[in-house]
Amino acid sequence: EVQLVESGGGLVQPGGSLRLSCAASGFSFSRFWMSWVRQAPGKGLEWVANINQHGSEKYYVDSVKGRFTISRDNAKTSLYLQMDSLRAEDTAVYYCARGTYGISEVGDYWGQGTLVTVSS
Amino acid sequence: DIQMTQSPSSLSASVGDRVTITCRASQGISNYLAWFQQKPGKAPKSLIYAASSLQSGVPSKFSGSGSGTDFTLTISSLQPEDFATYYCQQYHTYPLTFGGGTKVEIK
Repeated sequence: EVQLVESGGGLVQPGGSLRLSCAASGFSFSRFWMSWVRQAPGKGLEWVANINQHGSEKYYVDSVKGRFTISRDNAKTSLYLQMDSLRAEDTAVYYCARGTYGISEVGDYWGQGTLVTVSS
Repeated sequence: DIQMTQSPSSLSASVGDRVTITCRASQGISNYLAWFQQKPGKAPKSLIYAASSLQSGVPSKFSGSGSGTDFTLTISSLQPEDFATYYCQQYHTYPLTFGGGTKVEIK
């Protein structure tokens, strides 16, 4: 069974940092693209970043470029999102998602999400 | 960026109704269009990719169509478990973008 479990969310002050993790199991992690997608309270979905199987290709939404870094550790079957210089508008539930095989940009399995709150 | 516009933003329907949701892209995206279902407090669930291909395990009451800029998601006979918010997503061009969502409520 495919499982994705996010962790690392919490309350952080504006300008602070947080590192999200996504532990993957039940599939061959190193064969799939992975993504982060967020959802602000009461709002719609926003794609944040994704990464290829080897970590050599990464893409970001403009609003997080230079502040967030996506990475992965295939040996630990884990995905990460390092978030720096956090802003109030980064407050959201952050989901990790596995790319559909052959269609890397469409998440076919999603974690339950972790809440990040940026507030003083 | 490619803007995705869904309509309506919400609708009320009865069990057994046929429901159609529309998604329009601000520029042509061929068939690089996916649909997701999200229930309150839950993660999104992938329904359709490539505009009309069902993800594994998704019931055939869901169908998608369209190409270019105009797309539709149809639920052939609405059931209680289908009341949720539905999102389209284009994956033709980065940044990947979602529509604003369509909330399907019980009439």
